[in-house]
Amino acid sequence: DIQMTQSPASLSVSVGDRVTITCRASQGINNFLVWLQQKPGKAPKSLIYAASTLQSGVPSKFSGSGSGTDFTLTISSLQPEDSATYYCQQYNSYQWTFGHGTKVEIK
Amino acid sequence: EVQLVESGGGLVQPGGSLRLSCAASGFTFGSYSMNWVRQAPGKGLEWVSYISGGGVTIYYADSVKGRFTISRDNAKNSLYLQMNSLRDNDTAVYYCASTNMDWGLGTLVTVSS
Repeated sequence: DIQMTQSPASLSVSVGDRVTITCRASQGINNFLVWLQQKPGKAPKSLIYAASTLQSGVPSKFSGSGSGTDFTLTISSLQPEDSATYYCQQYNSYQWTFGHGTKVEIK
Repeated sequence: EVQLVESGGGLVQPGGSLRLSCAASGFTFGSYSMNWVRQAPGKGLEWVSYISGGGVTIYYADSVKGRFTISRDNAKNSLYLQMNSLRDNDTAVYYCASTNMDWGLGTLVTVSS
């Protein structure tokens, strides 16, 4: 199985701050990486696929980068509505695997 | 607009069975592989099963192999998960998700006596 290691586990940030979340795969995943946003009691929502391509309708304050095994999600200016748990997910293998999540809270 | 709507969840005793359904709309369902993913209360996401667009290729997580069966009916734009021999640790919200990274709203399965 491909293991996804995500950090940090949680963040407490101020409105307007820049947020960076990292994800490392245990082997190369050919950039088949998705970033998901999940708000409490809601289903996950795909923000970015193929490591850096924004899903339609997702604000440009979200961006993804990286290749090979190391990937990053950046939120350029955090707003209250961005408070959520963010997961990385690989889909290089039919057996999707997920990071453990990063809980982003507003100070 | 893509919609995936799960149904069939509920409370079941250990050892019991449930059949989940996922109704798809807004895209060419048969052209996409589909997955079931679950999330135990307060926990992260766990992939459960995969089925190819034509239904020929199927995979399961080790944790459900031999107990769960995934299937689809492309004529009805529907995905299914038959869950047998349910255990306490199968308690979770179950989501269907396409390989286009669209997710359903989820349905809660609670296994408890």
